[in-house]
Amino acid sequence: AQSVTQPDIHITVSEGASLELRCNYSYGATPYLFWYVQSPGQGLQLLLKYFSGDTLVQGIKGFEAEFKRSQSSFNLRKPSVHWSDAAEYFCAVGDSGSARQLTFGSGTQLTVLP
Amino acid sequence: DGGITQSPKYLFRKEGQNVTLSCEQNLNHDAMYWYRQDPGQGLRLIYYSQIVNDFQKGDIAEGYSVSREKKESFPLTVTSAQKNPTAFYLCASSGNRRDTQYFGPGTRLTVL
Repeated sequence: AQSVTQPDIHITVSEGASLELRCNYSYGATPYLFWYVQSPGQGLQLLLKYFSGDTLVQGIKGFEAEFKRSQSSFNLRKPSVHWSDAAEYFCAVGDSGSARQLTFGSGTQLTVLP
Repeated sequence: DGGITQSPKYLFRKEGQNVTLSCEQNLNHDAMYWYRQDPGQGLRLIYYSQIVNDFQKGDIAEGYSVSREKKESFPLTVTSAQKNPTAFYLCASSGNRRDTQYFGPGTRLTVL
């Protein structure tokens, strides 16, 4: 069975600092990988996704993620964090045969200091 | 505007009562999903439906029921058999097999 680990429950960064959120997955074949963001009391918004091809994926709001098969990782990065980035971030993995069954990590809460 | 709507945003229920959460989409998506979110546990799949009149249990289906009579609608009923129903419920939909899941704004259910 596929699984996702987000090792950091809570991360605090200063505005303007760089950010990296970690995601490790367990899956036998080539996975479909996603990062979503959730503001308090809201639904999830897709930041970016990886299906195949270039392992460095660009997303919305200046985010990017890199798929590293050898490390089973799909870490999310942003070079300069804005106060509006404060939210909860979820990594998810889908079956390469279908993105329809996703397994989510437990999330990382991001706090941004002024 | 295309999107997914969930209603109500907040729902309160007395113990022993069934309650139905609404999910509607106008994205012409074939597949729809219900997730439950609890603090620190991420999202867990309750039920999903890939076509009209067909649905499958997810990881935590006990105490829940669904129907899919129309492509646009996928209501979730939280029954009195669900032992701990207080949670945030999210509905999602997706198009073809390789498509991304898009989420609604959620319904927060509180059992009093």
